[in-house]
Amino acid sequence: AQSVTQPDIHITVSEGASLELRCNYSYGATPYLFWYVQSPGQGLQLLLKYFSGDTLVQGIKGFEAEFKRSQSSFNLRKPSVHWSDAAEYFCAVGAYGGSQGNLIFGKGTKLSVKP
Amino acid sequence: DADVTQTPRNRITKTGKRIMLECSQTKGHDRMYWYRQDPGLGLRLIYYSFDVKDINKGEISDGYSVSRQAQAKFSLSLESAIPNQTALYFCATSAPGRGQPQHFGDGTRLSIL
Repeated sequence: AQSVTQPDIHITVSEGASLELRCNYSYGATPYLFWYVQSPGQGLQLLLKYFSGDTLVQGIKGFEAEFKRSQSSFNLRKPSVHWSDAAEYFCAVGAYGGSQGNLIFGKGTKLSVKP
Repeated sequence: DADVTQTPRNRITKTGKRIMLECSQTKGHDRMYWYRQDPGLGLRLIYYSFDVKDINKGEISDGYSVSRQAQAKFSLSLESAIPNQTALYFCATSAPGRGQPQHFGDGTRLSIL
Protein backbone atom coordinates (compact mmCIF):
# COMPACT_ATOMS: atom_id res chain seq x y z
CA ALA A 1 0.00 0.00 0.00
CA GLN A 2 1.08 3.53 -0.65
CA SER A 3 2.26 5.47 2.37
CA VAL A 4 4.29 8.49 3.37
CA THR A 5 6.46 8.78 6.46
CA GLN A 6 7.80 11.98 7.91
CA PRO A 7 10.12 10.77 10.68
CA ASP A 8 10.47 14.10 12.47
CA ILE A 9 7.42 15.40 14.31
CA HIS A 10 9.04 18.66 15.38
CA ILE A 11 12.27 20.38 14.34
CA THR A 12 13.78 23.59 15.70
CA VAL A 13 16.42 25.50 13.76
CA SER A 14 18.05 28.87 14.22
CA GLU A 15 17.26 31.66 11.84
CA GLY A 16 19.81 31.66 9.04
CA ALA A 17 20.66 27.99 9.47
CA SER A 18 20.04 25.38 6.80
CA LEU A 19 17.03 23.10 6.91
CA GLU A 20 16.28 19.58 5.76
CA LEU A 21 12.92 17.92 6.34
CA ARG A 22 12.74 14.21 5.66
CA CYS A 23 10.10 12.32 3.71
CA ASN A 24 10.05 8.65 2.81
CA TYR A 25 7.41 7.05 0.64
CA SER A 26 6.21 3.58 -0.20
CA TYR A 27 5.05 3.24 -3.77
CA GLY A 28 5.03 0.57 -6.46
CA ALA A 29 5.86 2.74 -9.45
CA THR A 30 7.20 6.16 -10.32
CA PRO A 31 5.63 8.42 -7.73
CA TYR A 32 4.15 11.86 -7.97
CA LEU A 33 5.46 13.72 -4.92
CA PHE A 34 4.49 16.99 -3.30
CA TRP A 35 5.48 19.23 -0.42
CA TYR A 36 2.92 21.53 1.17
CA VAL A 37 3.27 24.14 3.91
CA GLN A 38 0.59 25.12 6.42
CA SER A 39 0.96 28.38 8.30
CA PRO A 40 -1.12 28.85 11.46
CA GLY A 41 -4.78 29.47 10.70
CA GLN A 42 -4.36 28.80 7.02
CA GLY A 43 -4.83 26.03 4.54
CA LEU A 44 -2.11 24.07 2.82
CA GLN A 45 -0.03 25.80 0.18
CA LEU A 46 1.87 23.90 -2.48
CA LEU A 47 5.64 24.41 -2.21
CA LEU A 48 6.81 22.14 -5.02
CA LYS A 49 6.07 18.93 -6.89
CA TYR A 50 7.98 16.16 -8.61
CA PHE A 51 6.61 14.20 -11.55
CA SER A 52 9.61 13.12 -13.58
CA GLY A 53 12.86 14.38 -15.03
CA ASP A 54 15.36 16.33 -13.00
CA THR A 55 15.47 14.88 -9.51
CA LEU A 56 16.20 18.26 -7.91
CA VAL A 57 13.05 20.34 -7.88
CA GLN A 58 12.85 24.03 -7.14
CA GLY A 59 9.84 25.49 -5.40
CA ILE A 60 8.51 28.70 -3.99
CA LYS A 61 9.96 30.62 -1.04
CA GLY A 62 13.49 29.36 -1.74
CA PHE A 63 12.72 25.69 -1.06
CA GLU A 64 14.01 22.74 -3.05
CA ALA A 65 13.56 18.98 -2.80
CA GLU A 66 15.53 16.05 -4.10
CA PHE A 67 13.97 12.80 -5.28
CA LYS A 68 16.11 9.75 -4.55
CA ARG A 69 14.55 6.59 -5.90
CA SER A 70 17.13 4.30 -4.31
CA GLN A 71 16.27 5.66 -0.87
CA SER A 72 12.53 6.19 -1.51
CA SER A 73 13.00 9.71 -0.25
CA PHE A 74 11.92 13.21 -1.20
CA ASN A 75 13.58 15.51 1.33
CA LEU A 76 12.85 19.22 1.48
CA ARG A 77 15.71 21.69 1.91
CA LYS A 78 16.34 25.36 2.35
CA PRO A 79 19.83 26.89 2.63
CA SER A 80 18.90 29.67 5.06
CA VAL A 81 15.74 29.63 7.16
CA HIS A 82 13.75 32.78 7.88
CA TRP A 83 11.51 33.30 10.89
CA SER A 84 8.51 33.35 8.55
CA ASP A 85 9.24 29.73 7.59
CA ALA A 86 7.90 28.56 10.95
CA ALA A 87 4.96 26.37 9.98
CA GLU A 88 3.95 22.77 9.52
CA TYR A 89 5.17 20.92 6.45
CA PHE A 90 3.48 17.99 4.78
CA CYS A 91 4.85 15.55 2.24
CA ALA A 92 2.35 13.76 -0.02
CA VAL A 93 2.34 11.11 -2.73
CA GLY A 94 -0.20 10.82 -5.52
CA ALA A 95 -2.30 7.66 -5.36
CA TYR A 96 -2.71 5.30 -8.27
CA GLY A 97 -5.38 2.86 -9.31
CA GLY A 98 -9.05 3.66 -8.86
CA SER A 99 -8.34 6.70 -6.74
CA GLN A 100 -5.97 8.42 -9.13
CA GLY A 101 -5.82 12.07 -8.26
CA ASN A 102 -5.99 11.49 -4.54
CA LEU A 103 -3.07 12.40 -2.34
CA ILE A 104 -1.73 10.44 0.59
CA PHE A 105 -0.24 12.74 3.20
CA GLY A 106 2.41 12.22 5.82
CA LYS A 107 1.62 13.25 9.38
CA GLY A 108 3.59 16.46 9.07
CA THR A 109 6.70 18.07 10.55
CA LYS A 110 6.33 21.20 12.61
CA LEU A 111 9.16 23.68 12.13
CA SER A 112 10.07 26.19 14.82
CA VAL A 113 12.64 28.92 14.14
CA LYS A 114 14.80 30.39 16.90
CA PRO A 115 15.88 34.03 16.63
CA ASP B 1 -11.10 36.55 -3.50
CA ALA B 2 -9.93 33.10 -2.47
CA ASP B 3 -10.07 30.34 -5.08
CA VAL B 4 -11.45 27.83 -2.55
CA THR B 5 -13.80 29.27 0.06
CA GLN B 6 -15.00 27.44 3.12
CA THR B 7 -17.85 28.54 5.35
CA PRO B 8 -18.08 28.89 8.24
CA ARG B 9 -14.47 29.41 9.35
CA ASN B 10 -15.30 28.51 12.92
CA ARG B 11 -18.23 26.69 14.47
CA ILE B 12 -19.05 25.56 17.98
CA THR B 13 -22.03 23.29 18.42
CA LYS B 14 -23.48 20.63 20.68
CA THR B 15 -23.52 16.87 20.51
CA GLY B 16 -26.37 15.52 18.40
CA LYS B 17 -26.76 18.60 16.21
CA ARG B 18 -26.71 18.44 12.43
CA ILE B 19 -23.98 20.54 10.88
CA MET B 20 -23.17 21.47 7.31
CA LEU B 21 -19.83 22.77 6.14
CA GLU B 22 -19.76 24.37 2.74
CA CYS B 23 -17.09 24.70 0.11
CA SER B 24 -17.16 26.67 -3.10
CA GLN B 25 -14.45 27.13 -5.72
CA THR B 26 -13.72 29.43 -8.60
CA LYS B 27 -10.88 27.38 -10.08
CA GLY B 28 -13.13 25.49 -12.49
CA HIS B 29 -11.83 22.14 -11.20
CA ASP B 30 -13.92 19.00 -11.53
CA ARG B 31 -12.44 17.28 -8.50
CA MET B 32 -13.21 18.22 -4.93
CA TYR B 33 -12.19 16.71 -1.60
CA TRP B 34 -12.98 16.92 2.09
CA TYR B 35 -10.27 16.26 4.66
CA ARG B 36 -10.10 16.21 8.39
CA GLN B 37 -6.94 17.32 10.25
CA ASP B 38 -6.16 16.27 13.80
CA PRO B 39 -2.92 17.08 15.64
CA GLY B 40 -0.29 14.43 14.96
CA LEU B 41 -2.45 12.59 12.44
CA GLY B 42 -1.98 14.73 9.36
CA LEU B 43 -4.80 14.97 6.84
CA ARG B 44 -7.26 12.16 6.39
CA LEU B 45 -9.62 11.95 3.44
CA ILE B 46 -13.32 11.87 4.27
CA TYR B 47 -14.99 12.00 0.83
CA TYR B 48 -14.03 12.95 -2.69
CA SER B 49 -15.86 13.73 -5.88
CA PHE B 50 -14.37 13.52 -9.36
CA ASP B 51 -17.35 15.22 -10.98
CA VAL B 52 -20.90 16.26 -10.12
CA LYS B 53 -22.29 12.73 -10.46
CA ASP B 54 -19.39 10.98 -8.76
CA ILE B 55 -19.09 10.66 -4.96
CA ASN B 56 -16.62 8.36 -3.24
CA LYS B 57 -15.87 7.46 0.34
CA GLY B 58 -12.44 8.17 1.67
CA GLU B 59 -10.51 6.76 4.58
CA ILE B 60 -12.83 7.96 7.34
CA SER B 61 -16.35 8.49 5.95
CA ASP B 62 -18.36 7.03 8.85
CA GLY B 63 -20.53 9.69 10.47
CA TYR B 64 -20.25 12.04 7.49
CA SER B 65 -22.14 12.62 4.26
CA VAL B 66 -21.56 14.92 1.30
CA SER B 67 -23.46 16.63 -1.46
CA ARG B 68 -22.06 17.91 -4.76
CA GLN B 69 -24.59 20.55 -5.70
CA ALA B 70 -22.67 21.84 -8.70
CA GLN B 71 -19.19 21.73 -10.15
CA ALA B 72 -18.25 24.59 -7.86
CA LYS B 73 -19.93 23.45 -4.62
CA PHE B 74 -19.26 20.52 -2.32
CA SER B 75 -20.84 20.31 1.14
CA LEU B 76 -19.94 18.11 4.08
CA SER B 77 -22.59 17.18 6.65
CA LEU B 78 -22.40 15.71 10.10
CA GLU B 79 -25.86 14.26 10.66
CA SER B 80 -25.52 13.91 14.42
CA ALA B 81 -22.31 15.47 15.65
CA ILE B 82 -20.22 13.80 18.34
CA PRO B 83 -17.28 15.25 20.30
CA ASN B 84 -14.64 13.14 18.53
CA GLN B 85 -15.56 14.91 15.30
CA THR B 86 -13.99 18.04 16.75
CA ALA B 87 -11.25 18.86 14.24
CA LEU B 88 -10.06 21.19 11.51
CA TYR B 89 -11.79 20.45 8.20
CA PHE B 90 -10.37 21.29 4.80
CA CYS B 91 -11.86 21.36 1.35
CA ALA B 92 -9.58 20.99 -1.67
CA THR B 93 -9.90 20.93 -5.45
CA SER B 94 -7.80 19.62 -8.31
CA ALA B 95 -7.82 19.28 -12.06
CA PRO B 96 -8.37 15.77 -13.48
CA GLY B 97 -5.52 13.34 -13.85
CA ARG B 98 -2.94 11.68 -11.74
CA GLY B 99 -0.35 13.91 -10.18
CA GLN B 100 -2.37 17.09 -10.20
CA PRO B 101 -1.75 19.23 -7.11
CA GLN B 102 -4.63 19.97 -4.80
CA HIS B 103 -5.62 23.50 -3.83
CA PHE B 104 -6.90 24.02 -0.32
CA GLY B 105 -9.31 26.32 1.41
CA ASP B 106 -8.41 27.96 4.72
CA GLY B 107 -10.32 25.41 6.75
CA THR B 108 -13.24 25.24 9.17
CA ARG B 109 -12.44 24.78 12.83
CA LEU B 110 -15.28 22.72 14.30
CA SER B 111 -15.78 22.17 18.03
CA ILE B 112 -18.45 19.83 19.30
CA LEU B 113 -19.30 20.09 22.97
